[in-house]
Amino acid sequence: NAGVTQTPKFQVLKTGQSMTLQCAQDMNHNSMYWYRQDPGMGLRLIYYSASEGTTDKGEVPNGYNVSRLNKREFSLRLESAAPSQTSVYFCASSVTTAYNEQFFGPGTRLTVL
Amino acid sequence: TQLLEQSPQFLSIQEGENLTVYCNSSSVFSSLQWYRQEPGEGPVLLVTVVTGGEVKKLKRLTFQFGDARKDSSLHITAAQPGDTGLYLCAGEGGGGSNYKLTFGKGTLLTVNP
Repeated sequence: NAGVTQTPKFQVLKTGQSMTLQCAQDMNHNSMYWYRQDPGMGLRLIYYSASEGTTDKGEVPNGYNVSRLNKREFSLRLESAAPSQTSVYFCASSVTTAYNEQFFGPGTRLTVL
Repeated sequence: TQLLEQSPQFLSIQEGENLTVYCNSSSVFSSLQWYRQEPGEGPVLLVTVVTGGEVKKLKRLTFQFGDARKDSSLHITAAQPGDTGLYLCAGEGGGGSNYKLTFGKGTLLTVNP
């Protein structure tokens, strides 16, 4: 049972390049989330998907897009990367009927030069 | 905007000491969760408290939810080096969407041998 998986684990981009971060969960959870974690800022919600077929903006959505491909997969795309998007990105999933307890992936460490 | 303030931000103690970490808000939450994050990994759920005044114990860790469901504390007895990590509290509900958690910025605990 893999839980929440994320790829890649590390990535270096140049300013203006694009990339997609992949996330998949095998726990049959309805809801999925993308966060970024920066020193001193805690976890900030970028986008979330309450259920398959729906997505909503979180606290810091600018510069990102998401796709809920199916119940298992939720991807995060950076169309034109900027140095301010250097961060560690976490994907999470939850069963929203159970206090929204979230299960996190191992993270993607992204550096934008 | 709902905020969760955690204190202290950093804590460095010797093995065997006791400590308490606090999580405070002006908002009422339906439930409050505590996560621990080790370096290079995603947060892992430790406990969820739901009822005002509730106390839960997890081995040497004691979690308490405030009577008004606005604050929580985590007490560790006889800390061990394995307790080292970032402790995050997260509130669920509280007048906002049930699909999102509000995270505090965390307390970074270091337990020295």
